[in-house]
Amino acid sequence: GENVEQHPSTLSVQEGDSAVIKCTYSDSASNYFPWYKQELGKRPQLIIDIRSNVGEKKDQRIAVTLNKTAKHFSLHITETQPEDSAVYFCAASASQGNLIFGKGTKLSVKP
Amino acid sequence: GAGVSQSPSNKVTEKGKDVELRCDPISGHTALYWYRQSLGQGLEFLIYFQGNSAPDKSGLPSDRFSAERTGGSVSTLTIQRTQQEDSAVYLCATREWGYEQYFGPGTRLTVT
Repeated sequence: GENVEQHPSTLSVQEGDSAVIKCTYSDSASNYFPWYKQELGKRPQLIIDIRSNVGEKKDQRIAVTLNKTAKHFSLHITETQPEDSAVYFCAASASQGNLIFGKGTKLSVKP
Repeated sequence: GAGVSQSPSNKVTEKGKDVELRCDPISGHTALYWYRQSLGQGLEFLIYFQGNSAPDKSGLPSDRFSAERTGGSVSTLTIQRTQQEDSAVYLCATREWGYEQYFGPGTRLTVT
């Protein structure tokens, strides 16, 4: 079955710097790759997603890139702010099925 | 509109007791998923309902876990003879016709 690896597990950046989180997946049938942000004690919230028919998607300060050949995808956050501090999860799924999640990255943005 | 809701928000139970966790999906969402999140861990898939099709139970960790979805709407996750390792946050997510899954607030289960 699908396996999703996520790195790094923790990431600390200065406010205004960029943050990059990387994930790899194993199942070539996966075609949907969302990123979720989870604040302490809250539910996961979708921040951006990408499907396998595109290589990059951007939404303001957040972008995701996908390399299908290498089976990896990345989250890029530019001009980080303290409110970006949270745990970020990548995930993969095939054919709108269940999501397989990475183990998460705890991002800390220092003012 | 109303999002996914779950009840109870917190549940403390004694080892060996049965528990039922409820998920109310967003109206019209045909797909419903249950996930489990242990302390400091990622989300683990448990079970998936899609319309009237047979559920995908491939993520259930043992036969103590079961779930049903009545009338294609509300879902109940049942854990029989609870064990301490069942302590976790149980999250429900639902989806309409696209790809995005919307999560509920979760039920925090503590088995003492």
